[in-house]
Amino acid sequence: IQMTQSPSSLSASVGDRVTITCRTSQTINSYLNWFQQKPGKAPKLLICAASSLQSGVPSRFSGSGSGTDFTLTINSLQPEDFATYYCQQSYSFPRTFGQGTNLEIK
Amino acid sequence: EVQLVESGGGLVQPGGSLRLSCAASGFTFSSSTMSWVRQAPGKGLEWVSYISSSSRTIYYADSVKGRFTISRDNAKDSLYLQMNSLTAEDTAVYFCARERVPFNYFDYWGQGALVTVSS
Repeated sequence: IQMTQSPSSLSASVGDRVTITCRTSQTINSYLNWFQQKPGKAPKLLICAASSLQSGVPSRFSGSGSGTDFTLTINSLQPEDFATYYCQQSYSFPRTFGQGTNLEIK
Repeated sequence: EVQLVESGGGLVQPGGSLRLSCAASGFTFSSSTMSWVRQAPGKGLEWVSYISSSSRTIYYADSVKGRFTISRDNAKDSLYLQMNSLTAEDTAVYFCARERVPFNYFDYWGQGALVTVSS
């Protein structure tokens, strides 16, 4: 399953609302997960099953979508949110990740 | 507290072998499915291999099939990745990750082990 994540990079300011999209080459129902990764660190799970917020993740993060089109939204960006974000499908093997979105401070 | 700790990374020559280990604690390892995921320097995430809790089901990425072998020892709460015939394209940080059902998401990751393939 091919993953198309966009944009590849994004500049935004603290307080902004940003949206990252992920499209899959075939339907995956809701088997879509979102991760945040900071330099030198392991990825951190933010959202599983397309829209389920992981425990401890701030509510400004939200996910939506099903089938082949998915969205990660971050409301009111905070300084600690500047990182790289990946989508990943867990519907079938091989597991595949999007190319990543580098969210930078404007 | 769930912990995954990788070890065994290092510098290896092209064509060489290396075995990574992942020590698990804080959860029932024997009931958990596990994967290896890697990240080449400056690149994105690439899933490498999966093993079911009983080792009965195993999958590999095409890029490593026939060269890498995933295994586990539930008595030792440990996951392994035997890597043979290494090439420069295998240079990456290798993460072990727990995969949770029913939506198969990676909820816990290790800190990663760097494997550098170079002469």
